[in-house]
Amino acid sequence: QVQLVESGGGVVQPGRSLRLSCAASEFTFSNYGMHWVRQAPGKGLEWVAVISFDGRSEYYADSVKGRFTISRDNSKNTLYLQMNSLSAEDTAVYYCAKDASLIDVSWYFDLWGRGTLVTVSS
Amino acid sequence: DIVMTQSPDSLAVSLGERATINCKSSQSVLYSSNNKNYLAWYQQKPGQPPKLLIYWASTRASGVPDRFSGSGSGTDFTLIISSLQAEDVAVYYCQQYYSTPAFGQGTKVEIK
Repeated sequence: QVQLVESGGGVVQPGRSLRLSCAASEFTFSNYGMHWVRQAPGKGLEWVAVISFDGRSEYYADSVKGRFTISRDNSKNTLYLQMNSLSAEDTAVYYCAKDASLIDVSWYFDLWGRGTLVTVSS
Repeated sequence: DIVMTQSPDSLAVSLGERATINCKSSQSVLYSSNNKNYLAWYQQKPGQPPKLLIYWASTRASGVPDRFSGSGSGTDFTLIISSLQAEDVAVYYCQQYYSTPAFGQGTKVEIK
């Protein structure tokens, strides 16, 4: 069925790096912008980053700008998030989310994965 | 940046009764050129990812029961569950997409 499946989370030391992946299935991945949204334990939702359908445009939340990089491989139907210089404040469940609009970016999300937990701790 | 504030933080409602959640944005999310409010609502059940309920402030997403309705314009919005069911126990979030996406802090809905 239509779904997003994240992977790559785990425990990482402060200052280290981690790469998350999100595999999409049963929809035309290459037609949609894709986002990462995170949720710290017991907290609310925070938008992290977006990439356009063709990978040519990226935007980031100020809290991760310069440290995180979003990318995609449309041939593999996969979204990525490269996270560098991690700190305890980055501890969260990271969700990938599909933009609701075909081609254009609408900035709201009509399909979410189940998330992958990233814990930054020494 | 637009800040979203929800009220109340939590509420307990009897089965079959109405639940009302409010969401206020720090500036208008109504885009004058198309007269659309860039406001969505999500439901997050325990241990699950969020699910889109409402977009453009009042349009129900596919498959969402009609007991869920959204209203409001400009800076003030409301999500109403007209007759609360047991499966509606969740945290509800509003989100503006007029600018860089921002969510409210969430409202936890429980059964009284």
